[in-house]
Amino acid sequence: QSVLTQPPSVSGAPGQRVTISCTGSSSNIGAYNDVHWYQQSPGTAPHLLIYETNKRPPGVPDRFSGSKSGTSASLDITGLQPEDEADYYCQSFDTTLRVVIFGGGTKLTVL
Amino acid sequence: QVLLRESGSGLMKSSETLSLTCTVSAGAMSSNYYGWHWLRQPPGKALQWIGQINLFGNTYYSPSLRGRVAISLEKSKNQFSLKLTSATAADTAIYYCARVSVVPFNSPFDPWGQGFLVTVSS
Repeated sequence: QSVLTQPPSVSGAPGQRVTISCTGSSSNIGAYNDVHWYQQSPGTAPHLLIYETNKRPPGVPDRFSGSKSGTSASLDITGLQPEDEADYYCQSFDTTLRVVIFGGGTKLTVL
Repeated sequence: QVLLRESGSGLMKSSETLSLTCTVSAGAMSSNYYGWHWLRQPPGKALQWIGQINLFGNTYYSPSLRGRVAISLEKSKNQFSLKLTSATAADTAIYYCARVSVVPFNSPFDPWGQGFLVTVSS
């Protein structure tokens, strides 16, 4: 069981908006530790999508955005496209466990 | 562009030592501002952090694997390696190597290697 909790799956039609949540606790997200998001397309390695909660690396469309409030973080994807179909993982650091932690992953299906 | 590539033995038997190497593109390991990490992903499951090493040779491991894991560095070969002793079927996973900036704290993993499947048979 992952320290960070994500919904197992979300779905949306092309052009729609979806939000993926990442719920932690006072010892990780709530302890002011940054949250990062990764996209993993089938059969490929994860790659960085959002870092430091809401920053996009070069090349990532502005359809992807991140936010954080209290002990939770969220990834928003607007204007869904078929190529967005992938698994999405949140990641942070747990101050009590002293370890890098990941969410269990969310499978996005574009209907 | 920094590239990482995992290599090693893809099939092993239970109780053996898992051994993998990550080769980094030439010159990419010269900076002290990066740490070099191993992660894994069991089939159909979530990502798990294994441990890290910096260019001073300092290591830090996941508490769940401490005692079985060792990460080492060969700067002259642009490589760092992972050894996991007493492997079991639970260690079957795709293993990834990745780079992390040491500043700021809790920087993201970027980039990642392509991944290497290790299967431990009983």
